[in-house]
Parts: sequence; C-alpha cells; structure tokens
Amino acid sequence: EAQVTQNPRYLITVTGKKLTVTCSQNMNHEYMSWYRQDPGLGLRQIYYSMNVEATDKGDVPEGYKVSRKEKRNFPLILESPSPNQTSLYFCASSLFPSGVYEQYFGPGTRLTVT
Amino acid sequence: KQEVTQIPAALSVPEGENLVLNCSFTDSAIYNLQWFRQDPGKGLTSLLLIQSSQREQTSGRLNASLDKSSGRSTLYIAASQPGDSATYLCAVRGGATNKLIFGTGTLLAVQP
Repeated sequence: EAQVTQNPRYLITVTGKKLTVTCSQNMNHEYMSWYRQDPGLGLRQIYYSMNVEATDKGDVPEGYKVSRKEKRNFPLILESPSPNQTSLYFCASSLFPSGVYEQYFGPGTRLTVT
Repeated sequence: KQEVTQIPAALSVPEGENLVLNCSFTDSAIYNLQWFRQDPGKGLTSLLLIQSSQREQTSGRLNASLDKSSGRSTLYIAASQPGDSATYLCAVRGGATNKLIFGTGTLLAVQP
C-alpha cells in the first residue's frame, strides 16, 4: 500500500531532550516536506527537500533540523525541544517537486514538550 | 504573500443537505489547489486536486471548482451524511518551493 508513515505517533518529552521524528514513504517520491499544525495558525511548512541531499527551510524552520540521505526517509530532528514546539506534525511527499503533483500526508505526530 | 481564507469556520447541517464550503486566496499565481479532509486526531486525506488550468474536479458526491482570476474555490458536497463530519482544508501550491499554503479549515458537522 502506497503511504507515508511517521513514528512515533504520540510523544511527550521534556525541554532540552533531543528527539527525532521519522518519516518514510514507499512511493519513490522525490519531494518531501514537514509541516506543523497549530490552532488558529493552520499548517505551516518547516522544511522541505527537493531530492536526496537537497533540503531547504520553509516558513518556520527555527529549532528544527532535517536530513535526506536516502530518497524514502526524511527525519525531523529537534536538537533542544522547547514548549513552543508542542504541536501536531505532518510529513508529506509528492512524486516530483513540480507543482502539478498531488501531495500525500502521513498520519501525524502529536508532540508535547513540557 | 499568499493568504488562504476559508469561510465559514464552522458549519452544522442536517443530514441530506447539499452544502458549499468556500476557499479564497490572494495570489492567483498558483500551480494547483487541493482539498483535504482531516478527522480528529488523524492525518490529512486528499479529496480533490485541481490544476491551475482546470475549472473543476469531481469525485463521487464531491465537486470542487476553481476560479483563479477571482481567487476562489468551492467544495460542493451533495446529500451530506454524518460520516462527512470532519474539518475540510483547502491548500494552494505555488512559488519556487512548491509548498502548500493552507487555510485554517471549515469544521463540518452533519447531524443525523
């Protein structure tokens, strides 16, 4: 089944404790991105990747890192999480970076930082 | 800067009604517009994708239209059912990064 998977689905952590949220897609998509969803603010892009070893900042990249060492995986790294990073996170992918292709979303990761 | 607005923010209708959800955007230079459905605690399910050159797309009881020149899209849901209850999001894609710009959604409740 073609899908985008994220792990973990739920995570509660403490301020400053490094964490990684994994994202994997099995559709051979080149374009992948991360979004966060907050009440009243909607979904905002954190980082995106046009292809392997090609990543760039989105609208709200502060406090996050990403890597794209292989096509299928695009982990989101929080080196020192803070409470304002409590949010619902979504990974997304599309076949190519071109705007004509549909984007597919993972199930989301709900992160709470205390 | 692209801004996407969805009206109304919330909508409650009795089962069986036909309804329209609205989405407006400020910059007509888009590649496409996508409608999503989000259930509580769940991810986003893509409903319809309309390319910038298209006027509408249909899938089952759903019909989405796009008027680029006026910066508007509508999602029409025919014969609504309680299972249609969810938050509906529209998103436009454009610009060099091809990111999606989302509206804040319409929370739909269909009463049995």
